[in-house]
Amino acid sequence: GENVEQHPSTLSVQEGDSAVIKCTYSDSASNYFPWYKQELGKGPQLIIDIRSNVGEKKDQRIAVTLNKTAKHFSLHITETQPEDSAVYFCAASTGGYQKVTFGTGTKLQVIP
Amino acid sequence: EAGVAQSPRYKIIEKRQSVAFWCNPISGHATLYWYQQILGQGPKLLIQFQNNGVVDDSQLPKDRFSAERLKGVDSTLKIQPAKLEDSAVYLCASSLEWRFYTFGSGTRLTVV
Repeated sequence: GENVEQHPSTLSVQEGDSAVIKCTYSDSASNYFPWYKQELGKGPQLIIDIRSNVGEKKDQRIAVTLNKTAKHFSLHITETQPEDSAVYFCAASTGGYQKVTFGTGTKLQVIP
Repeated sequence: EAGVAQSPRYKIIEKRQSVAFWCNPISGHATLYWYQQILGQGPKLLIQFQNNGVVDDSQLPKDRFSAERLKGVDSTLKIQPAKLEDSAVYLCASSLEWRFYTFGSGTRLTVV
């Protein structure tokens, strides 16, 4: 089955700096890669996703990149703000209604 | 629109006892998922329903876990008997379109 590894497990940045979270996946059939943000006491919330036919996608301060050859994808947050502090999960799926496999999470702390 | 409702929010039980969790998905969402999230890890899919039918329960420990979805709407997840390693947050999610999961806030189970 699919295995998703995520690094780093914790990340502290100064407000205004950029944050980068990296993930690798094992199943070459995976073609859908969502990213979730989980705040304390809440369920994960989808913040951005990318499909395998796209190398990069951007939404305001958030961007994701995908390298299918190397089987890795990354989340980039620019101009970080305190409200970006949360746990971020990457995930991978073969699409459709197939199982989504989550990474182990990155706890991001943005220091004011 | 109302979100995914889960109850209870917290539950503490002794090992070997039984427990049940309830989920009410977003109205009209045909697909419902139960995930187990152990502290410090990403969510792991336990079972996926499409309307009344089970799509994937390959990671559900069927000797102790059971789930049902009545009339394609509400769902319950049961553990009987509980073990210490079942301590986790149990997340319910639903989706109308396969890409867009909406998670509930979860039930935090502590087995002592």
